[in-house]
Amino acid sequence: NAGVTQTPKFRVLKTGQSMTLLCAQDMNHEYMYWYRQDPGMGLRLIHYSVGEGTTAKGEVPDGYNVSRLKKQNFLLGLESAAPSQTSVYFCASRAGVDVTDTQYFGPGTRLTVL
Amino acid sequence: EDQVTQSPEALRLQEGESSSLNCSYTVSGLRGLFWYRQDPGKGPEFLFTLYSAGEEKEKERLKATLTKKESFLHITAPKPEDSATYLCAVQPPFLNTGFQKLVFGTGTRLLVSP
Repeated sequence: NAGVTQTPKFRVLKTGQSMTLLCAQDMNHEYMYWYRQDPGMGLRLIHYSVGEGTTAKGEVPDGYNVSRLKKQNFLLGLESAAPSQTSVYFCASRAGVDVTDTQYFGPGTRLTVL
Repeated sequence: EDQVTQSPEALRLQEGESSSLNCSYTVSGLRGLFWYRQDPGKGPEFLFTLYSAGEEKEKERLKATLTKKESFLHITAPKPEDSATYLCAVQPPFLNTGFQKLVFGTGTRLLVSP
């Protein structure tokens, strides 16, 4: 039982390049989330999904797209990377939104955009 | 707007020197408050959920308490391995949109010196 995994762990991009971050969970959770974490700003929600085939915008969605074609996977795409997207990205999953449902996080992807 | 404020931003303790971290929130109708530990370069790791004022939870040297306005994470006789960033998050009441998200604070960086 690996929990939430993220690929890759590190990545360096040049401005304008594209990439996809992969998140996988093996807990059969319905809800999945993508956050970015920047110094002094805490965790900010980018996009989320409430089930297979669904996605929705969070607080800071501009410049990102997501897809959830399979229940266990949640992909975050950057079509044209910008230096402002330099950050640490965390994926999380949760069985439901009852307060007893714990939200679990992945290990993170550190992205640098030059 | 729902807000979570953690203090202090950083705390340096000597091994064995007990202290408390604070998490204050402005959410009315709080459904739950969560504490996470985050080690450098890793994702947040779940510690506790508190559901109602007066509740306490303990784990090793950590004890979390909850009032109607704030939560405290008490660290008794800390060890260097307790060094980490501690995050709290709140779950507000259900929105009409049906979307539930956790609202995170920016964390307290704790350093325990031998």
